[in-house]
Amino acid sequence: QKEVEQNSGPLSVPEGAIASLNCTYSDRVSQSFFWYRQYSGKSPELIMSIYSNGDKEDGRFTAQLNKASQYVSLLIRDSQPSDSATYLCAVTGGTALIFGKGTTLSVSS
Amino acid sequence: GAGVSQSPSNKVTEKGKDVELRCDPISGHTALYWYRQSLGQGLEFLIYFQGNSAPDKSGLPSDRFSAERTGGSVSTLTIQRTQQEDSAVYLCASSPWRRDNEQYFGPGTRLTVT
Repeated sequence: QKEVEQNSGPLSVPEGAIASLNCTYSDRVSQSFFWYRQYSGKSPELIMSIYSNGDKEDGRFTAQLNKASQYVSLLIRDSQPSDSATYLCAVTGGTALIFGKGTTLSVSS
Repeated sequence: GAGVSQSPSNKVTEKGKDVELRCDPISGHTALYWYRQSLGQGLEFLIYFQGNSAPDKSGLPSDRFSAERTGGSVSTLTIQRTQQEDSAVYLCASSPWRRDNEQYFGPGTRLTVT
């Protein structure tokens, strides 16, 4: 069974610090990788996508992919209290995405 | 532009009743997905529509669940003879042509079966 694993957290960081969120996946043929942010009581919002090995930067967010290790991560620089949310890792698995259960991030001011 | 919309936002129903949940995808998006999210659980794939192709129903948990998509746009998820374990948030997502994996979610319908 295809799986996506994330540390459930909570991950607590002070304002201005770097938050590092990690994800591993089981299906070696997965080609596309996504990070979604989900605020409490809200639906997931796509924040990053990455398709090839290496780093992809978008503002304060950097996604990192290592297909050999089946590992994808999300770094959030200069963390803000507004970044406090659950971050879902998603991986292609056939026609639909396979989602991890999410890591809860708490940024304290 | 307008995002994915879903209705109703909340639905409370009695065990054994049928319910219909509606999703209106982003205009021009060809792919449409239904997921459900239970408390403390991840997103569970239910069904996928792509254009006029036959839907991928592999995620439907039982034959009480069905979905249709009319005219390649609006979709309705129907749950017959609801059970308490059906209580969850039902999320719809849509994707543009050839970018199936870039999914944009609606606000969800919170279903409570009493």
